Amino acid sequence: DAKTTQPPSMDCAEGRAANLPCNHSTISGNEYVYWYRQIHSQGPQYIIHGLKNNETNEMASLIITEDRKSSTLILPHATLRDTAVYYCIVRVGYSGYALNFGKGTSLLVTP
Amino acid sequence: EAQVTQNPRYLITVTGKKLTVTCSQNMNHEYMSWYRQDPGLGLRQIYYSMNVEVTDKGDVPEGYKVSRKEKRNFPLILESPSPNQTSLYFCASSFRNTNTGELFFGEGSRLTVL
Repeated sequence: DAKTTQPPSMDCAEGRAANLPCNHSTISGNEYVYWYRQIHSQGPQYIIHGLKNNETNEMASLIITEDRKSSTLILPHATLRDTAVYYCIVRVGYSGYALNFGKGTSLLVTP
Repeated sequence: EAQVTQNPRYLITVTGKKLTVTCSQNMNHEYMSWYRQDPGLGLRQIYYSMNVEVTDKGDVPEGYKVSRKEKRNFPLILESPSPNQTSLYFCASSFRNTNTGELFFGEGSRLTVL
C-alpha cells in the first residue's frame, strides 16, 4: 500500500471549514483513499473514502485531485467535538495487507 | 450491535508474566489486525490476519504472537512482556472482499508492564 504524508497539526476556528490535506503521490490505480479520526484515546473511527471522484457524506467531504496524488478532507462547519487526530491511509479495497496509519494530523478546533 | 470487543481494557503486569489480550468481532469479517499506539509514534501495525489460519507480520511484530483458529477471534499473546511493550493496543476488523474495506476498531486495551 502507498504511503501518505500529512501535516502534524492544524488549527481551525469553530464554525469554519477545516481542510486537512494528504499527499499520496505513489498511489496506484486500484488503491482507495480512506480517512479515519481518533478522539482522545478511543478507537479510530471511519469517516469517508474514495477512489477517483469526490465524495460527501454526513460527516465530511473528500476531494481527490485528478492525478490522485493528493486529497483533502473537508469538515464544512467544524465544532469543538471535531478536535481529534485525523489519519489518511490508502489501501486496496479488497485487500488488508499491512496498514500503517502513521501519525496523522492533530486538528484543534478553537472557540 | 456490530462491534469489536477487546479484553482486558486495562492491565498492569510484571516483566515476564505471559498474558493474552483477546479480540472478538461479531461481523463475520475475514480481516483482523492488531495495532499499538505510543505517544509521538502514531498507530503501528503488529500483526494481521486475512482469514482463519492466515496471519502475517506488520511493522512491529517483535515480542508478540497471534493466532487465528476461529474467524471471530484474534488474540494477541505476549509470551514474556517487557516494559517497552507498555502501550495502548487496538484490534480492528473488516471484510476482505469488498470495495469499502472500512476498518472497525475496538475500544483499546491499555497495558502497563512493570
